[in-house]
Amino acid sequence: DAGVIQSPRHEVTEMGQEVTLRCKPISGHNSLFWYRQTMMRGLELLIYFNNNVPIDDSGMPEDRFSAKMPNASFSTLKIQPSEPRDSAVYFCASNKDGSYGYTFGSGTRLTVV
Amino acid sequence: GENVEQHPSTLSVQEGDSAVIKCTYSDSASNYFPWYKQELGKRPQLIIDIRSNVGEKKDQRIAVTLNKTAKHFSLHITETQPEDSAVYFCAAEEYGNKLVFGAGTILRVKS
Repeated sequence: DAGVIQSPRHEVTEMGQEVTLRCKPISGHNSLFWYRQTMMRGLELLIYFNNNVPIDDSGMPEDRFSAKMPNASFSTLKIQPSEPRDSAVYFCASNKDGSYGYTFGSGTRLTVV
Repeated sequence: GENVEQHPSTLSVQEGDSAVIKCTYSDSASNYFPWYKQELGKRPQLIIDIRSNVGEKKDQRIAVTLNKTAKHFSLHITETQPEDSAVYFCAAEEYGNKLVFGAGTILRVKS
């Protein structure tokens, strides 16, 4: 099992540009979570999907952030336009109904300059 | 919603000593409490978890205790080793599969 796969690993972009982060959950997992990690705010849940449907997006900071899960094996988190305060590590995690605990991806380190 | 507080924020121990990290949660309906270890530049990894139907769980040098009445749970690491140095996060399940994380504890094991 390749685990949760995220791309890119690192992204440096200029303020105002669009950024798209990608995630492939573990095969068979039907819940997917996007977290943001910063020193100041720790691990914050942005949004989570169950069976490809967004269940809770209350953590999405503002309209500049959007997430999709078009199928069971792929999700994107988009920031448009990006701002320097969006700089963080973005983690994707997945698990399966009836199981406990998440498996995290390796994360995407985003730097907005 | 669920709120998880974690203490201390940093912990420094001598190799071979024990380390204890404590968390409190607010939602009495929470029933699942995992602990994650995150090494520098890496992903959080689940190291141990406990469900509300037990009060203690142990896995080699790591143990977790849960007091549902007081709404707190703790991670205990015995005979600490330098490779235990990392950031440790506690979490509580809010509803469904959603986890709310504590702010993290930086553990440093001095050799």
